[in-house]
Amino acid sequence: QVQLQESGPALVKPSQTLSLTCNVSGGSISSDTYYWNWIRQSAGKGLEWIGRVDTSGSTNYNPSLKSRVTISVDTSKNHFSLKLSSVTAADTAVYYCARRHCGRTSCFEDYWGQGTLVTVSS
Amino acid sequence: QSVLTQPPSVSAAPGQKVTISCSGGTSNFGNSYVSWYQQLPGTAPKLLIYENNKRPSGIPDRFSGSKSGTSATLGITGLQTGDEADYYCETWDSSLSALLFGGGTKLTVL
Repeated sequence: QVQLQESGPALVKPSQTLSLTCNVSGGSISSDTYYWNWIRQSAGKGLEWIGRVDTSGSTNYNPSLKSRVTISVDTSKNHFSLKLSSVTAADTAVYYCARRHCGRTSCFEDYWGQGTLVTVSS
Repeated sequence: QSVLTQPPSVSAAPGQKVTISCSGGTSNFGNSYVSWYQQLPGTAPKLLIYENNKRPSGIPDRFSGSKSGTSATLGITGLQTGDEADYYCETWDSSLSALLFGGGTKLTVL
């Protein structure tokens, strides 16, 4: 059974860089069938896609966050990472990692991490 | 404000049927399939429907999906109190090269 687990600091100071890692277990991160996503959710709000990476390291980012986001993959460690720079209180949210499975005809998020709350505060 | 539009809330009595709509545009719904996710309170989202109308293993047939043009609909029959959750539609936008989520719909089973 595939499992995803987010890890990283729960508290980040304003203007600093938020860094999270998603460890993938029960399956290999190295497959052309998958993209690896970061998605966040502010308290009481909806889901917001941050970006994705594939096993080759190719990325796509939410246009509204693109200038501050870097997502990378480390196949040797079977994990992928998120860096969000110049954070403000508006970046306080639960951050989820999720696997996007792409079959012959469609793609969808089939496995999600439990989520980790990151608070931006001094 | 989300590019995909969902009603903020819907409600119905136990045993009844409810539908949740999701409307988008040609650059997303016109080119891509729609997925639906259920988020129970305090938990991560869970895949409910993919490829517009397909259910993953383990999802009961009380849940159904459809898509027509630039709109999609999630249907839930035989409502149970355990169905109370937030429901999100999702698709890929080819012009933005971005994954889009609807704003979410809170289902209350009265």
